[in-house]
Amino acid sequence: EAGVAQSPRYKIIEKRQSVAFWCNPISGHATLYWYQQILGQGPKLLIQFQNNGVVDDSQLPKDRFSAERLKGVDSTLKIQPAKLEDSAVYLCASSLRTSGRETQYFGPGTRLLVL
Amino acid sequence: GESVGLHLPTLSVQEGDNSIINCAYSNSASDYFIWYKQESGKGPQFIIDIRSNMDKRQGQRVTVLLNKTVKHLSLQIAATQPGDSAVYFCAENLNSGYSTLTFGKGTMLLVSP
Repeated sequence: EAGVAQSPRYKIIEKRQSVAFWCNPISGHATLYWYQQILGQGPKLLIQFQNNGVVDDSQLPKDRFSAERLKGVDSTLKIQPAKLEDSAVYLCASSLRTSGRETQYFGPGTRLLVL
Repeated sequence: GESVGLHLPTLSVQEGDNSIINCAYSNSASDYFIWYKQESGKGPQFIIDIRSNMDKRQGQRVTVLLNKTVKHLSLQIAATQPGDSAVYFCAENLNSGYSTLTFGKGTMLLVSP
């Protein structure tokens, strides 16, 4: 089966610009996650969707980050305006359900550099 | 590839040795734990998981041990191969009814031929 797809793979922008990332989860997976992974650290959850509803966005910096999953399939994550500290890898993951013991499958990530 | 090991604990082993990677988790209420492998330039890949009602689980060449008393998790890799070189993360899930994971800091495993 096809894995989690993400695009673009790399993005370089200047601070205060806007950027958007796209994710297509594994077919049939109801739950979608966006993580931020800063160099040398583990992934940190930004937002979790169950179908097209938000389950957890407690760690999403809502003044500049937004995410949507309008039709319950693919999702976009936006940063507006970007700051230098947003330089990181943005990982998308999906799982079949939202119960406590679901394996999450990760995409390859989008590497963002903010100059 | 990207350098993810700047400040990561690093374990260096010879090909064929057994490797043990350790992780201290944070929450005594966590009831599900997963080990992920992340190669340079790729997303994390599931290796093995364990529930809190178990203290050991074995997979192909890998074993996970859970010690809830001291909140410690370990991943043992038998007959380590160069292809095992990667950063390894443990992740924990609180018994919250949701699949939210909290990841540890990671350990870089370097396997020399």
